[in-house]
Amino acid sequence: AIQMTQSPSSLSASVGDRVTITCRASQGIRNDLGWYQQKPGKAPKLLIYAASSLQSGVPSRFSGSGSGTDFTLTISSLQPEDFATYYCLQDYNYPQTFGQGTKVEIK
Amino acid sequence: EVQLVESGGGLVQPGGSLRLSCAASGFTFSSYSMNWVRQAPGKGLEWVSYISSSSSTIYYADSVKGRFTISRDNAKNSLYLQMNSLRAEDTAVYYCASRGGDYWGQGTLVTVSS
Repeated sequence: AIQMTQSPSSLSASVGDRVTITCRASQGIRNDLGWYQQKPGKAPKLLIYAASSLQSGVPSRFSGSGSGTDFTLTISSLQPEDFATYYCLQDYNYPQTFGQGTKVEIK
Repeated sequence: EVQLVESGGGLVQPGGSLRLSCAASGFTFSSYSMNWVRQAPGKGLEWVSYISSSSSTIYYADSVKGRFTISRDNAKNSLYLQMNSLRAEDTAVYYCASRGGDYWGQGTLVTVSS
């Protein structure tokens, strides 16, 4: 199975900060990667698909980049509603695998 | 409005069985491949099982292979997960989700405990 290594596992940031989260795949996955946001007690929400495509309705401060094995989720200016846990997911093949998650907390 | 509504969770003893259901509405369910994804308390997300739109292709995580069975009824716009030989480590919130990740249910909690 493809391993997805996500970092950092947590970070503290302030409103307005630029935040970057990375995921590294154990083998090349083309651009078959999505990014999800999850708030406590809620289902995950798709933010980015195909590594860099913004899901409909998602604010443009979210962006994704990368291809092959290295991927990045960037939040250009952190907003209060962005404090949550973020996961990457490879859908290159099955079993699909998630990163371990990054908890974004208020500094 | 797109909706996925899971049901069937609850408390079950180790070795027992449960059948989860996921009722879909607001989109053409029969055209979508579907996944089950779970999340143990305080833990990350884990993909569990996949079924193609026509049920012709099915995959399972190694952790549930041989114990769980995914199925669907397109006429009833419903997805199912039959869970047998349940273990404590199967305790989790179980979500149904579309293959592309754009549609998710609210989750149903399965607790395996004596």
